[in-house]
Amino acid sequence: KNQVEQSPQSLIILEGKNCTLQCNYTVSPFSNLRWYKQDTGRGPVSLTIMTFSENTKSNGRYTATLDADTKQSSLHITASQLSDSASYICVVSARGSGNTGKLIFGQGTTLQVKP
Amino acid sequence: NAGVTQTPKFQVLKTGQSMTLQCAQDMNHEYMSWYRQDPGMGLRLIHYSVGAGITDQGEVPNGYNVSRSTTEDFPLRLLSAAPSQTSVYFCASSYTGQGVTQYFGPGTRLLVL
Repeated sequence: KNQVEQSPQSLIILEGKNCTLQCNYTVSPFSNLRWYKQDTGRGPVSLTIMTFSENTKSNGRYTATLDADTKQSSLHITASQLSDSASYICVVSARGSGNTGKLIFGQGTTLQVKP
Repeated sequence: NAGVTQTPKFQVLKTGQSMTLQCAQDMNHEYMSWYRQDPGMGLRLIHYSVGAGITDQGEVPNGYNVSRSTTEDFPLRLLSAAPSQTSVYFCASSYTGQGVTQYFGPGTRLLVL
């Protein structure tokens, strides 16, 4: 069964600190892995998209890594800011299912950055 | 560009009522989709469309209808609302192809009493 599991479920950190969010998946055949940021009351916004051959991808203070062998991904946030408070959703696309693939969504990690 | 827009932002319905959630995009995207987001669960695909005149069912299609008469618009219809349809609904659009970025609307929060 295709699944995406994220940990931790929630996280509280102090402003300026770094943090790492985890994503484990059992999706086959794998096409790509995405990280989204969802602010409260808003729609998800894409942070990164990684294919099988990509190990790391950055978007400003956000760095995503992918280990396709162990089927794990992480999202590292550097020097956190109050505006980083949001839910972070890991999404894995299964290859071959339609024009954009079948997207399997994780439940998300809720991050709260405190001053 | 306005991106993906959704109306209304919030709606309260009584059981058995019908309504249409509107979604529009101005990016000329072929692919559009509807998701629902419930507490403790990932987004789940309701219906999707790969172009005008073409729609298909997603993971949780029961109780919902869609149509795609233009590239820009993709309305979602609830024929007879049920409390189980209380959720936040997101519309998304993208170009077709693997690995393309999906753009989400701001969501419609629906409460069915």
